[in-house]
Amino acid sequence: GENVEQHPSTLSVQEGDSAVIKCTYSDSASNYFPWYKQELGKRPQLIIDIRSNVGEKKDQRIAVTLNKTAKHFSLHITETQPEDSAVYFCAASTDDYKLSFGAGTTVTVRA
Amino acid sequence: GAGVSQSPRYKVAKRGQDVALRCDPISGHVSLFWYQQALGQGPEFLTYFQNEAQLDKSGLPSDRFFAERPEGSVSTLKIQRTQQEDSAVYLCASSRSAEGSYGYTFGSGTRLTVV
Repeated sequence: GENVEQHPSTLSVQEGDSAVIKCTYSDSASNYFPWYKQELGKRPQLIIDIRSNVGEKKDQRIAVTLNKTAKHFSLHITETQPEDSAVYFCAASTDDYKLSFGAGTTVTVRA
Repeated sequence: GAGVSQSPRYKVAKRGQDVALRCDPISGHVSLFWYQQALGQGPEFLTYFQNEAQLDKSGLPSDRFFAERPEGSVSTLKIQRTQQEDSAVYLCASSRSAEGSYGYTFGSGTRLTVV
């Protein structure tokens, strides 16, 4: 089955700096890559997603890039704010319903 | 409803006890999913329903786990003879798409602790 690895496991950034989280996947048939943000004790919330026919997608301060050849995708958060502090999960899917998640990255934005 | 509702929010069970976890998906959502999230880990797929049909149960860890969605709306995840390794947060998600491709809406989960 699909194996998704996520790095780093923890990330501390100064407010206003950028944060980058990287994920790799094993199944070349994967075609859907969402990112979820989970605050402590709360539900995972979809923040951005990308499909395999697109190399990059941007939504305000958040962007995701996909390299199908290398089988990796990344989340970029610019101009970080304290409210960006959370656990971020990447995921991959080959069939548009079953998601394989990475282990998560705990992002801390220092004021 | 406005979101995916799960109950109970917290459940403490003695080892060997049976538990039932409930999920109320967003009204009209065709697809429903159950995931298990161990502490400090990402969610892991358990099972998938399209309306009342359970199309994929490949993630259920043992025959002690059983899920149903008899009328294509509310779903129940049942765990029989709970064991300590069952302790986790159980997340339910729903999607309006028959294939889930528009992205899940997750519930807040049920935190199960087996003592």
